[in-house]
Amino acid sequence: AQSVTQPDIHITVSEGASLELRCNYSYGATPYLFWYVQSPGQGLQLLLKYFSGDTLVQGIKGFEAEFKRSQSSFNLRKPSVHWSDAAEYFCAVVPLTYKYIFGTGTRLKVLA
Amino acid sequence: EAGVTQFPSHSVIEKGQTVTLRCDPISGHDNLYWYRRVMGKEIKFLLHFVKESKQDESGMPNNRFLAERTGGTYSTLKVQPAELEDSGVYFCASSQDRGGDYEQYFGPGTRLTVT
Repeated sequence: AQSVTQPDIHITVSEGASLELRCNYSYGATPYLFWYVQSPGQGLQLLLKYFSGDTLVQGIKGFEAEFKRSQSSFNLRKPSVHWSDAAEYFCAVVPLTYKYIFGTGTRLKVLA
Repeated sequence: EAGVTQFPSHSVIEKGQTVTLRCDPISGHDNLYWYRRVMGKEIKFLLHFVKESKQDESGMPNNRFLAERTGGTYSTLKVQPAELEDSGVYFCASSQDRGGDYEQYFGPGTRLTVT
C-alpha cells in the first residue's frame, strides 16, 4: 500500500540554523510529491512540488527539496531558518491519481 | 482571487448531535475534495467531487457522513449523529482539471470537537 513517512514528529532548531525535514514514501513508481506548510490558524500552503525533471526543486520562502529515487525520499531543506518558519510541515504524494496521501506531519519549533 | 473557504472554523457539539460543514472552492474549480485529520494522525482523504458528482467516496468512514455538492459549487459535509471519534480537523481542497497538474488548494479547515 502507498504510504508516506515523516519520521520526525517534532523538530527544534535555532533561528539561523539549517533545517532538513525528512520524508520517505512507499510506492512502486515515481509519484507526484508535495510539501505543504500549515501555520497556526491558516490552511495548508504549498511550499513546492515535484512532478518530473530536475530532482532539486525550489519553492517559496527559501525552501528546497530533493527527490532521491534510490532512497524513495523527498526531504525538505532550508539553509537558514527564520522564526516565522515555525509551523507544521506535511509531505504528500499523489500516486498518479488525485488522492493525496499525507505523512503525519513534522512540527517545527524555532528558538530565538 | 479568493481561496478555498470553510465554515465554521470551529464547532463544538455533543455526541449524537448533527453538524454540517461547508466548503466554498475556488471559483471555476470543478474538483473538490474533503480530507480529515484526527489528532496526531495523518491527513486522510475522504472523498472527491467532480462538479456535482461524487467521483470517489472511498475514504468516508461510515454512513453517518454525507457529502453533497449541489450545483457543482459549494459542498457540505454532514455528520449525523456525531460520535467522539469524529473529532478532528476537516479540510476541503479544490483543483482545476489541468492534465498532469495535481496541485490542490486547501482551505483553513474546520476543527470539530465532539464531547
